[in-house]
Amino acid sequence: DAGVIQSPRHEVTEMGQEVTLRCKPISGHNSLFWYRQTMMRGLELLIYFNNNVPIDDSGMPEDRFSAKMPNASFSTLKIQPSEPRDSAVYFCASSPRTSGYEQYFGPGTRLTVT
Amino acid sequence: QQPVQSPQAVILREGEDAVINCSSSKALYSVHWYRQKHGEAPVFLMILLKGGEQKGHDKISASFNEKKQQSSLYLTASQLSYSGTYFCGTPGGSARQLTFGSGTQLTVLP
Repeated sequence: DAGVIQSPRHEVTEMGQEVTLRCKPISGHNSLFWYRQTMMRGLELLIYFNNNVPIDDSGMPEDRFSAKMPNASFSTLKIQPSEPRDSAVYFCASSPRTSGYEQYFGPGTRLTVT
Repeated sequence: QQPVQSPQAVILREGEDAVINCSSSKALYSVHWYRQKHGEAPVFLMILLKGGEQKGHDKISASFNEKKQQSSLYLTASQLSYSGTYFCGTPGGSARQLTFGSGTQLTVLP
């Protein structure tokens, strides 16, 4: 089975530009998570969707960040405008409906904002 | 609230045992453990549930202390492939949401 798919794998952009990260969860999983990982702050939960509905977005740093999940097989995380401090690895993870709630992470998108 | 992991780093030889701790200020009803190798995504290892039940890896075990405010991960007879950063995750607003600790870097030498 295919795992969580993220694109792009690497993104380099200039400050002020819009960045869109994409995620396709594992088929049949009903929960989706967006994380950000940096050396300074570790692995932080940004937003959590359950059945395509945002449940908790308290981890979203500020209004420049937004996330959507229009259907069960696709989610986006958008940063507009981007800033150098947004540079990080962004992971998407999904979790199955019936389980101990283990999460399966995608390979991540390494974002560099110059 | 972020759980506190200890030690921050550990180095051991192949075949030795290691223990990684994860502490919380409140009683835990589950703890998740993940391992991340350099440049890769975190990978699920196991879940420890409040009754002591464990689901996941067959060569790694975990336990709670008496007050269930600390979980310990036991790695026995370490293999080179065990090297990586280990994260514990504790449920937050819901059972599905996890707050991860800062990680323990484990290095297994031949």
